[in-house]
Amino acid sequence: AQTVTQSQPEMSVQEAETVTLSCTYDTSESDYYLFWYKQPPSRQMILVIRQEAYKQQNATENRFSVNFQKAAKSFSLKISDSQLGDAAMYFCAYRSALTGGGNKLTFGTGTQLKVEL
Amino acid sequence: DTGVSQNPRHKITKRGQNVTFRCDPISEHNRLYWYRQTLGQGPEFLTYFQNEAQLEKSRLLSDRFSAERPKGSFSTLEIQRTEQGDSAMYLCASSLDRWSSGNTIYFGEGSWLTVV
Repeated sequence: AQTVTQSQPEMSVQEAETVTLSCTYDTSESDYYLFWYKQPPSRQMILVIRQEAYKQQNATENRFSVNFQKAAKSFSLKISDSQLGDAAMYFCAYRSALTGGGNKLTFGTGTQLKVEL
Repeated sequence: DTGVSQNPRHKITKRGQNVTFRCDPISEHNRLYWYRQTLGQGPEFLTYFQNEAQLEKSRLLSDRFSAERPKGSFSTLEIQRTEQGDSAMYLCASSLDRWSSGNTIYFGEGSWLTVV
């Protein structure tokens, strides 16, 4: 079974600064997808960024980028120019690409990000 | 496209009562998922539908839980004889077929259940 570990329960960042959230995962599969979801106080899970394991290039979405290290099974999220609206719980998630195994996301325990003025 | 819609958003019930949650997925999404999230934890997978067929169920889904998706559109999650341990947020999500749209799963705002 796959596991996802987020070792930082809380992180703080000053507005306009950069912060990196860590995520590691354990799997024996070679093909899979990794995601970062954001969950603000409204509780709706919002997709931030996704990465396909077969792609060597790190995904980027505006101020959000990832550092995907497949051999190390590491998938960190970098948020640049942090904004107050970035304050939320961030979840790292894994999804298998195998037929029959790609139907569910496995989530980490989350990192609460606080953005300070 | 209004996104994944869930109702009720909040439900308080007495132990032993039955509750039902409804989920309306994004139109044209043929895959629908239910997750449960307790405080301080990430969501945990409960079950998944491909159109009207329930194809996968987690062992977290006890006999008191039943999910349906008649006609492959909206879905209901019923919990019978609720227990205090059922208190959680129940998240619904949907996606297109796994080989299209990049496999992105979209979530609703969740339904909070408090069992007293």
